[in-house]
Amino acid sequence: NAGVTQTPKFQVLKTGQSMTLQCAQDMNHNSMYWYRQDPGMGLRLIYYSASEGTTDKGEVPNGYNVSRLNKREFSLRLESAAPSQTSVYFCASIGGGPTDTQYFGPGTRLTVL
Amino acid sequence: AQSVTQPDIHITVSEGASLELRCNYSYGATPYLFWYVQSPGQGLQLLLKYFSGDTLVQGIKGFEAEFKRSQSSFNLRKPSVHWSDAAEYFCAVGAGGTSYGKLTFGQGTILTVHP
Repeated sequence: NAGVTQTPKFQVLKTGQSMTLQCAQDMNHNSMYWYRQDPGMGLRLIYYSASEGTTDKGEVPNGYNVSRLNKREFSLRLESAAPSQTSVYFCASIGGGPTDTQYFGPGTRLTVL
Repeated sequence: AQSVTQPDIHITVSEGASLELRCNYSYGATPYLFWYVQSPGQGLQLLLKYFSGDTLVQGIKGFEAEFKRSQSSFNLRKPSVHWSDAAEYFCAVGAGGTSYGKLTFGQGTILTVHP
């Protein structure tokens, strides 16, 4: 039981390049989330998927797209990376109800030059 | 909209001393409240959570937190800090209903422990 896994762990991009961050969970969770973490700002929600087949914007969605490929996988895409997207990205998942625990992946550290 | 404030950016304590990390939230209804810990270069680990019932919540690693509705606070405490507690701590609030997983985090408090 690996929990929530993310790939890659580190990535350096040039401005304008695109990339996809991958996330998978093996806990049969319904809901999955993408957050970004910036110094002094905590974590902010980018996009989420309450269930397979649905996605919705969070607090900071501009410049990102997501795909809920199946119940296990939720990817985050940067179509044209900008230096402002330099951050640590965390994927998370939660099971069937509010009393369940939200589990976080180890993070992807992205630098955009 | 919900919000969370952690007034202390950085706290330093001596090993063995007591600890209290402050958290204030803003939310219209009864909130779901969480404390997470993050060690350098790692993901977030849940310490404890509050949904309803007893306002004093026990968590892992000897931590506890008290929900005070009148003060809109959910402060984290530990009676005796260990060097391994050095990390960054995040308070978070979750919405109710179908949005329960959408967490709003505070800015974080970095804890340094002196030997």
